[in-house]
Amino acid sequence: KQEVTQIPAALSVPEGENLVLNCSFTDSAIYNLQWFRQDPGKGLTSLLLIQSSQREQTSGRLNASLDKSSGRSTLYIAASQPGDSATYLCAVPSGSARQLTFGSGTQLTVLP
Amino acid sequence: NAGVTQTPKFQVLKTGQSMTLQCAQDMNHEYMSWYRQDPGMGLRLIHYSVGAGITDQGEVPNGYNVSRSTTEDFPLRLLSAAPSQTSVYFCASRMRRVSTDTQYFGPGTRLTVL
Repeated sequence: KQEVTQIPAALSVPEGENLVLNCSFTDSAIYNLQWFRQDPGKGLTSLLLIQSSQREQTSGRLNASLDKSSGRSTLYIAASQPGDSATYLCAVPSGSARQLTFGSGTQLTVLP
Repeated sequence: NAGVTQTPKFQVLKTGQSMTLQCAQDMNHEYMSWYRQDPGMGLRLIHYSVGAGITDQGEVPNGYNVSRSTTEDFPLRLLSAAPSQTSVYFCASRMRRVSTDTQYFGPGTRLTVL
């Protein structure tokens, strides 16, 4: 059974810092890995999707990498801003791709 | 596009009541699913559909029914609400190509069962 782990569970940084969020998964036979953002009381917003054949994806200040062989992905946020404060979730398709298996998330706080 | 929409946003039920959570998408996505999010449990799949007329169970289907009569709509029915069904419910959709297609989520329905 696929298991997804995110470390750390919470992170607090001053504005302007570059930071890395970690995601690990136990079964490397994945189709893709997706990073989401969830604001308090809101739904999930997709940030980046990395296909299994890709090593990284970039969107603005966000860069996600994928290392299937080691079962790891990282989300790099450059020049963090208070508006980046949210919970960040990674997820991989599992169960014959019928569902996403989510990590428990990293709650990020960027202090002004 | 409105994306994935859900109604209602909030709902309070008494034990034993039934209700339907509505979900609609306007992106012509074939694949739709329902998740529930609980503290300490993360997001868990309830039911999913790969197209109109086709539904199947996910990880936690007991107490819920679904149907998919059109591509756009995927309602979730609670047959007889129980306090254990207090949760936040999310509907999601994507195209059928799992390797490349982003999953989109609705804003959620926050359900409390007393």
